[in-house]
Amino acid sequence: DQQVKQNSPSLSVQEGRISILNCDYTNSMFDYFLWYKKYPAEGPTFLISISSIKDKNEDGRFTVFLNKSAKHLSLHIVPSQPGDSAVYFCAASAGFQKLVFGTGTRLLVSP
Amino acid sequence: EAGVTQSPTHLIKTRGQQATLRCSPISGHTSVYWYQQALGLGLQFLLWYDEGEERNRGNFPPRFSGRQFPNYSSELNVNALELEDSALYLCASSLSAGSRLGYTFGSGTRLTVV
Repeated sequence: DQQVKQNSPSLSVQEGRISILNCDYTNSMFDYFLWYKKYPAEGPTFLISISSIKDKNEDGRFTVFLNKSAKHLSLHIVPSQPGDSAVYFCAASAGFQKLVFGTGTRLLVSP
Repeated sequence: EAGVTQSPTHLIKTRGQQATLRCSPISGHTSVYWYQQALGLGLQFLLWYDEGEERNRGNFPPRFSGRQFPNYSSELNVNALELEDSALYLCASSLSAGSRLGYTFGSGTRLTVV
């Protein structure tokens, strides 16, 4: 039972354009959401998070949007840079329980 | 500050053998999490230890087990290895049960079962 889903396994974007990565979840108890970035041969690193009491959180080029009614969140990267090429995982938790991760989306930003 | 360290980096085992993977959390972190990243399956939760106790377990067979030591380091054991156990095993740590603070991951152990 995949509670957190990333339906796009890959995304290609040109440098300078916007990258939009999407994530859907099924568990209505989830109240905290995070995005992680993973480069090959490295562990995932924390990128940005959002609480369910908010619908938007911004950190530099990265913005996460949360639509609770649709059980959907998205990560916007503007402008995209070649160094952003990585696998992006969304994750969610209910209370202080463990993080549940999605299957990941591989982003490729071409010069 | 040292990050989360995992050893070994790579491990090759024969089907039916046992594998032991080790993880040292960030100093001060008491929670350790183990995840499996198999091809195309994202990060599948395996085990969560906090203060030496197993807090939660993912949907994996009993031959996946582990423990947390008094210094908060952790060990993941996989018995009776099967070919499909080949994956990247990631360890993460956090302050107590701190999913709100995010996890810090190690670089993983690549287990190959032949």
